[in-house]
Amino acid sequence: DQQVKQNSPSLSVQEGRISILNCDYTNSMFDYFLWYKKYPAEGPTFLISISSIKDKNEDGRFTVFLNKSAKHLSLHIVPSQPGDSAVYFCAASPSSGAGSYQLTFGKGTKLSVIP
Amino acid sequence: NAGVTQTPKFRILKIGQSMTLQCTQDMNHNYMYWYRQDPGMGLKLIYYSVGAGITDKGEVPNGYNVSRSTTEDFPLRLELAAPSQTSVYFCASRLHTSGRTHEQFFGPGTRLTVL
Repeated sequence: DQQVKQNSPSLSVQEGRISILNCDYTNSMFDYFLWYKKYPAEGPTFLISISSIKDKNEDGRFTVFLNKSAKHLSLHIVPSQPGDSAVYFCAASPSSGAGSYQLTFGKGTKLSVIP
Repeated sequence: NAGVTQTPKFRILKIGQSMTLQCTQDMNHNYMYWYRQDPGMGLKLIYYSVGAGITDKGEVPNGYNVSRSTTEDFPLRLELAAPSQTSVYFCASRLHTSGRTHEQFFGPGTRLTVL
């Protein structure tokens, strides 16, 4: 039973255009969300996060949007660059209580940015 | 800081053999984790530790054991290797403080094949 779902295994985008990666969650206890980026043969690296008290968080070319009522978040990359080609994982956690020290990951979306 | 280091990078085991995957972090993080990532899948938590001497099972602990005798080290032991344990293993760590605490730092991974 997947609690964090990334329904698109892959996404191709032209360089300079917007990349939108989506993530859905089912556990209503989740209120902190992270995006990780992973290159082949490397460990995941933290990209950006958002708490449920916000609906948007920006960091340079990366913006994460959170729609709590729909249990949906998305990562926007503008403009997309070839170096953004990687697998992106969505992760979620309760911010307190049991499980707050654990992350639940989605299966990932492989982004390919075409020059 | 070296961050999170893992050894070995690659290993091939025969069915029934045992081995220890090493993980060390130099960030004085109190939380440490072991994940496995199978092809096309997200990261699944095997074991975690909230401090020296304290460990607990994650989602997929069967066939593995861990210990945490120091803050820095969190080795993962496979006693009787099986083909189902063929995977990429990631160690991660996290500092427990108030505020933005959910970010985990990952090592580069160990690719294990059991034949």
